[in-house]
Amino acid sequence: GAGVSQSPSNKVTEKGKDVELRCDPISGHTALYWYRQSLGQGLEFLIYFQGNSAPDKSGLPSDRFSAERTGGSVSTLTIQRTQQEDSAVYLCASSLERGVLYEQYFGPGTRLTVT
Amino acid sequence: GNSVTQMEGPVTLSEEAFLTINCTYTATGYPSLFWYVQYPGEGLQLLLKATKADDKGSNKGFEATYRKETTSFHLEKGSVQVSDSAVYFCALIRNSGNTPLVFGKGTRLSVIA
Repeated sequence: GAGVSQSPSNKVTEKGKDVELRCDPISGHTALYWYRQSLGQGLEFLIYFQGNSAPDKSGLPSDRFSAERTGGSVSTLTIQRTQQEDSAVYLCASSLERGVLYEQYFGPGTRLTVT
Repeated sequence: GNSVTQMEGPVTLSEEAFLTINCTYTATGYPSLFWYVQYPGEGLQLLLKATKADDKGSNKGFEATYRKETTSFHLEKGSVQVSDSAVYFCALIRNSGNTPLVFGKGTRLSVIA
């Protein structure tokens, strides 16, 4: 079956512009996670959704970052006024439910380059 | 807080060599432990996991044992293949509460024929 998909796969933007990254989770998965993979920092948690609500936004690095999820499905991560330090691979994962018993399935990521 | 420390790479081995990638963790309570693998050009995949002390996770010839006394979850494989070349991530998740995966920084493995 279809896995987690993300778009675009690559995005190059100029400093100061806004970008939107999209995640389509596996159908029926209620939990959705965003992570960031950057050189030297490894994988960092950004935000987590259960359904359409985000009970844990603790990983968002600044107020320039926001995310939403609609219809319990697609999620969009928005970065406003991008900075060079935002350059990274943004990964989305989904799981059937929240909690340790449910495996997180990862998408291929969106590589963001801010010039 | 929760954190994972894994050996820095890159690690280069010849085919059929023995592999160990060290991973230690710090966590409040008793976490579940994972190894994820990222093959070139692909997304992260769960390789194996262990949910309590002394559990051994295994998959594709890889093994890791949850050692509470040493807070470790070292990844081992007896005979690596070229196809094992990838980046390996150790991770944990708390067994209670709504916590995300906490990852180590990753170890790049290259296996040469």
